[in-house]
Amino acid sequence: GAVVSQHPSRVICKSGTSVKIECRSLDFQATTMFWYRQFPKKSLMLMATSNEGSKATYEQGVEKDKFLINHASLTLSTLTVTSAHPEDSSFYICSARGASLFLLEQFFGPGTRLTVL
Amino acid sequence: DQQVKQNSPSLSVQEGRISILNCDYTNSMFDYFLWYKKYPAEGPTFLISISSIKDKNEDGRFTVFLNKSAKHLSLHIVPSQPGDSAVYFCAASGTHYGGSQGNLIFGKGTKLSVKP
Repeated sequence: GAVVSQHPSRVICKSGTSVKIECRSLDFQATTMFWYRQFPKKSLMLMATSNEGSKATYEQGVEKDKFLINHASLTLSTLTVTSAHPEDSSFYICSARGASLFLLEQFFGPGTRLTVL
Repeated sequence: DQQVKQNSPSLSVQEGRISILNCDYTNSMFDYFLWYKKYPAEGPTFLISISSIKDKNEDGRFTVFLNKSAKHLSLHIVPSQPGDSAVYFCAASGTHYGGSQGNLIFGKGTKLSVKP
């Protein structure tokens, strides 16, 4: 099946610093990548959708200047949490969808646990 | 306003018995539904899906049933195994929903515990 990786799996940072999370599709070309955030005991919240080579589309309430998304290639998307604060601590998950795969099926990465001190 | 609802936060089942996980949706524009399984600190894993043109899809021990008139779907796991213990998310999508083709709307999940 399609494999999506995320790096790092866990990151702890100080308040005010920026953190970059990478999402890679390992065995397919991801024309679209999604970034989700999961709060404890809550569902996955879609933050943004990015298509390769174009600007990301952010969901309502998600600050695009705080959560910078770059989808520079068909196998890599990055999420940068700028000037992180403790309330940004969460589990961030990416997913990817490729043109050669069934249109609506998304494959998820293993997630990144961000802790901001 | 939740468009995909999983009203049971948890479910406990004995090994070998059937597990039935339920999901309701409110948006009649949804036409594709998926179930994902998620272990703690991992990303969701795709399990099974169903298109609105069908009312049943089966894959091994997993069967998804769709009742469009009731806007309800369910995932049946039989026989249940201890390794099935995880959180199960129901997700829905509409090809013309929200202007973003293929975006998934997730329920809050149901934690399944299968006891040996």
